[in-house]
Amino acid sequence: QVQLQESGPGLVKPSQTLSLTCTVSRGSISSGPIRSGGYYWSWIRQPAGKGLEWIGRILGSGNRDYNASLKSRVTISVDTSNNQFSLKLTSVTAADTAVYYCARGLISGGHFYGLDVWGRGTTVTISS
Amino acid sequence: SYELTQPPSVSVSPGQTASITCSGDELGDKFVCWYQQRPGQSPVLVIYQDTKRPSGIPERFSGSNSGNTATLTISGTQAMDEADYYCQAWDNRTGVFGIGTKVTVL
Repeated sequence: QVQLQESGPGLVKPSQTLSLTCTVSRGSISSGPIRSGGYYWSWIRQPAGKGLEWIGRILGSGNRDYNASLKSRVTISVDTSNNQFSLKLTSVTAADTAVYYCARGLISGGHFYGLDVWGRGTTVTISS
Repeated sequence: SYELTQPPSVSVSPGQTASITCSGDELGDKFVCWYQQRPGQSPVLVIYQDTKRPSGIPERFSGSNSGNTATLTISGTQAMDEADYYCQAWDNRTGVFGIGTKVTVL
C-alpha cells in the first residue's frame, strides 16, 4: 500500500514562504491504475480545532488546480525523480498555522474520486 | 464560492442508525465523498462517488446523494464510529469540504 509522508519546517516566520514536501513510498508518483486517468496529488490543511481546507492538487499531466482563496500564494509541483510533490505558500501569516496533509486521489472515467491515501500530517506554525 | 453545509453534531445510541447530511446547491449533480477523522488522526475515506465504499470500510457505512442533499448513514453504530465526518465535493475543479459533523455515540 502506497504511503505518504510530509516533511518541512515546523516554524515559519510571518511574510516568509512555507515549503513542504510529500514523499511517496511503496509506489510511483508517475504511475496510475491501468485504463484509468491515473492519480492526482493534493494538499489539505486543518487549523487546530477546525475543519479541513482543500489547498490544491496536481495531476499526472502536470495540470494544477488551486483553492481560489489561496491561488495567488500557492504553488504545487511534482519531482518525479525523487517520487515527491511539494507545496509552496508565500507571504504567510498566523492564519496559515495548521496541520498540513498531503493525500492521493484517483481519477477514473474523467471523474475525480476521493482522497484514499493520506499522510500523517505535519504541524506548521507561523510565528516570529 | 461553493459551500457545503453539515450539522455541527449528531448523537446516536450504540446499535442505532446515525444519519449525517451535507447540503449544497445542486449537490446531486456532483460526486460526493465522505471522510472519517478520529481525534489526532488523519482523515480516512469511507464513501466515494456518492455510494461506494473503499476496501476495508465496514458495510454499515453507506451513502446517498440526490437533489441538494447527500447523506452518510451509519447503521448499527459502534463506539469506534465516534469521530468527525466531513463531506467533500468538486466544484469547477476546486475541492470543497463541509465544516464537519461530530458524531457522538452515547
